[in-house]
Amino acid sequence: QSVLTQPPSVSGAPGQRVTISCTGSSSNIGADYDVHWYQQLPGTAPKLLIYGNNNRPSGVPDRFSGSKSGTSASLAITGLQAEDEADYYCQSYDRSLSGSVFGGGTKLTVL
Amino acid sequence: QEQLVQSGAEVKKPGASVKVSCKASGYTFTTYYLHWVRQAPGQGLEWMGLINPSSGITRYAQRFQGRLTMTRDTSTSTVYVELTSLTSEDTAVYYCARGIVTPMGWFDPWGQGTLVTVSS
Repeated sequence: QSVLTQPPSVSGAPGQRVTISCTGSSSNIGADYDVHWYQQLPGTAPKLLIYGNNNRPSGVPDRFSGSKSGTSASLAITGLQAEDEADYYCQSYDRSLSGSVFGGGTKLTVL
Repeated sequence: QEQLVQSGAEVKKPGASVKVSCKASGYTFTTYYLHWVRQAPGQGLEWMGLINPSSGITRYAQRFQGRLTMTRDTSTSTVYVELTSLTSEDTAVYYCARGIVTPMGWFDPWGQGTLVTVSS
């Protein structure tokens, strides 16, 4: 049972927009800790996608965006492409656990 | 470029210990926290703990307390994670990842991962 809750799977057709939610609590996201997102392609290490709720590292397309409100955060992907098919994870800090926490991950399928 | 390179795959028997290394390059080793994250087969990411490479101070996730040790060697810019009393549930890919200048924050870059298999 992950501290942060994500839907197990989402899907969309090429060119469409999808969103992935990440729900926490008052001890992590709701405590004003930032949310970060990672993309993990099969057989590879996770790659930072969004940091500090809504910032993209250099090289990440602007099709990817993040937002945060209250105890939840979301990752939006517009103009879906076949290469976006991957697992996506949210991450934050939890003050009760005194450590970082991850969501359970969401598998994105491009139809 | 900033890079983390981990040691190779390990196969261990139940009850044994394993030690995995992570060598940093391309940045000042003592500036940023280093974290360890593991991923069991077909499962999600699990944060294990962190080490401050400058002071050597560590913080571990509660579930690993007592059998997890993180150390560093500043002369070689390398951090180590050692897990004892292994069971089959410890079979996973272990990643090191660079954090930021505080214990909170994002992880970037990540090491390539080290597969640890625990089997009799």
